[in-house]
Amino acid sequence: SQQGEEDPQALSIQEGENATMNCSYKTSINNLQWYRQNSGRGLVHLILIRSNEREKHSGRLRVTLDTSKKSSSLLITASRAADTASYFCATDVGNQFYFGTGTSLTVIP
Amino acid sequence: NAGVTQTPKFQVLKTGQSMTLQCAQDMNHNSMYWYRQDPGMGLRLIYYSASEGTTDKGEVPNGYNVSRLNKREFSLRLESAAPSQTSVYFCASSKSLAGGYEQYFGPGTRLTVT
Repeated sequence: SQQGEEDPQALSIQEGENATMNCSYKTSINNLQWYRQNSGRGLVHLILIRSNEREKHSGRLRVTLDTSKKSSSLLITASRAADTASYFCATDVGNQFYFGTGTSLTVIP
Repeated sequence: NAGVTQTPKFQVLKTGQSMTLQCAQDMNHNSMYWYRQDPGMGLRLIYYSASEGTTDKGEVPNGYNVSRLNKREFSLRLESAAPSQTSVYFCASSKSLAGGYEQYFGPGTRLTVT
């Protein structure tokens, strides 16, 4: 399967700390996107990075992409309790989309 | 704008029963998708529709059928439900299939098959 794998599966940090989660995938991709899912809700798009980009920023989010290692990382700086959610990477291969298994982030106030 | 809406929110079926999950978007998007989410499995693509009038299989299409009724609506049908189809189903839409456009998700339908 093309499905990505996020690492770690679960992460618990104190408010104000940075959170880093990683995504690995198996085959060449067009784009990689990160999504957030609050408990019991649908997914919300966070950021997209194209295969020819290495780093992208959006507010407190920083995403990197290393196509040689087939991996991406999402950094959330100065975390807040409201950042508590599951985070998924999604890869775009041809006309198919593949989501990873997710990282569950808990930010303790 | 309501975004992506799904009905019903919850459903319990007995094995062998059929049902249709409804999805509608009001963003004038061309592409629509159906996913299922199971614990520890992430989201898996069931079917997608690149544009009105077209549908294609995703990663896990067996046991499902879809209809792109018009540009706004994309339904998912379970003809003979099985316990393995117990899951949370999400509909999503995007401006286009190609180009890396973000997907907008509905709130999900929680389906239990007994």
